[in-house]
Amino acid sequence: AQSVSQHNHHVILSEAASLELGCNYSYGGTVNLFWYVQYPGQHLQLLLKYFSGDPLVKGIKGFEAEFIKSKFSFNLRKPSVQWSDTAEYFCAVGTSYGKLTFGQGTILTVHP
Amino acid sequence: GAVVSQHPSRVICKSGTSVKIECRSLDFQATTMFWYRQFPKQSLMLMATSNEGSKATYEQGVEKDKFLINHASLTLSTLTVTSAHPEDSSFYICSARPAGTYNEQFFGPGTRLTVL
Repeated sequence: AQSVSQHNHHVILSEAASLELGCNYSYGGTVNLFWYVQYPGQHLQLLLKYFSGDPLVKGIKGFEAEFIKSKFSFNLRKPSVQWSDTAEYFCAVGTSYGKLTFGQGTILTVHP
Repeated sequence: GAVVSQHPSRVICKSGTSVKIECRSLDFQATTMFWYRQFPKQSLMLMATSNEGSKATYEQGVEKDKFLINHASLTLSTLTVTSAHPEDSSFYICSARPAGTYNEQFFGPGTRLTVL
């Protein structure tokens, strides 16, 4: 069975700081990788996804993620965070059956 | 586009009663919908996969007789929590996969269920 691990439960940053959220997965087959964001009081929204091709994926709002197959990782990055990036971030793995397995989530708090 | 709604957003019920939660894809057809449960400070756990016109597929450990799923149309799936108990209190989230896609899922806003 697949599993997803996010390294940090809560990250606190000041505006303009750089962000990197770790995500590692365990699955023996071909995977599709996702990062979702959940802003306070809102539903999950897709930030970015990787299916194939260039392992560096750019998403919305200046976020990007890099798929490193040898490390089973898909870390999320943003060079300069804003207060409005305060949210919970979920890494997810999609398998050949079309199901998603989510990581535990990382709460990001950005102080102005 | 790709909006998914859930109704109700919050529900409080007495122990022993049944509660129905609706999940609708508003601007696309969804042959597959998924039901998740999210406990406080934890991740989303997939409960079941709902396919239009056929029986739902439940994940291991999820009681199919307790969590009844119906996917009668390409835009609507319902989850009924039967004989609810306080331990069923949770945040239930649905997602919908547009017809013709494989791994795209669009999420509803969730339903907070509190069983007294």
